[in-house]
Amino acid sequence: DIQMTQSPSSLSASVGDRVTITCRASQSISTYLNWYQQKPGKAPKLLIYAASTLQSGVPSRFSGSGSGTDFTLTISSLQPEDFATYYCQQSYNNPYTFGQGTKLEIK
Amino acid sequence: QLQLQESGPGLVKPSETLSLTCTVSGASISSSSYYWGWIRQPPGKGLEWIGSIYYSGTTYCNPSLKSRVTISVDTSKMQFSLKLSSVTAADTAVYYCAGHSNSAYNWFDPWGQGTLVTVSS
Repeated sequence: DIQMTQSPSSLSASVGDRVTITCRASQSISTYLNWYQQKPGKAPKLLIYAASTLQSGVPSRFSGSGSGTDFTLTISSLQPEDFATYYCQQSYNNPYTFGQGTKLEIK
Repeated sequence: QLQLQESGPGLVKPSETLSLTCTVSGASISSSSYYWGWIRQPPGKGLEWIGSIYYSGTTYCNPSLKSRVTISVDTSKMQFSLKLSSVTAADTAVYYCAGHSNSAYNWFDPWGQGTLVTVSS
C-alpha cells in the first residue's frame, strides 16, 4: 500500500494567515493526489483533485501543488470557516489511501 | 444536484454482518461518470476506503477488507449496498458512501452525511 504522511498533524493559525500543509507519498504517485476538508461531525468535502485542480465552488484562496512524492495545500488567507481537518488521498493505485489528517485550529 | 444518503442499523453484534445501503438522488446511478464508493472513519481517526462499485456491478475493494466485503448495486432502486461480515469492535466507525469519480484521478465527491455503526454486544 502507498502510505501518505501529512505534516504537521496539527497547526494553529490566525485569520488572515497564509498556511501550507504538506503531504508526502511513500512512492511516486505523479499528480494522483486529492485534498479534502472535514469539519467536526460532517463528511469530508473535496477541495482539489489531480494535485492542483480546484473543485467547482471552492474558494480561490485554496491551491494545491506538487508531483511525484511531495505535495502541498496552501490557504492564502485563512477565513474563520477554514478551521477544519484536511486530508490528502492518493488515487494512483488500489487501495486508495488517505493521510492521517492535519487539524487546523484557531490561534 | 447529486446527493447520497446512508441507511442501516447503528448497532451490530460482534461476529455478525454489518449491512448498509446508500440511496442516490439528483443523478442517475447508471451514470458513466461515477463509481460508487464506501469509506469509513473510526471515531477520532482517519479515513479508510473500503471499496467501490460501478452500475454494471463491477467492484473493486481494499485488499485488507476484501475477504469480508460485499458491495452490490440495485439500479432500479438507485441504491448500492455494503455488507461487511464477521465484524469486531475494530469495525466501529462512521461509514460514508460517496460518488467515486470514474476518471484517472478517482476522487470522492459528493459524500453522504455518514452513519455511525457501533459493534458491541
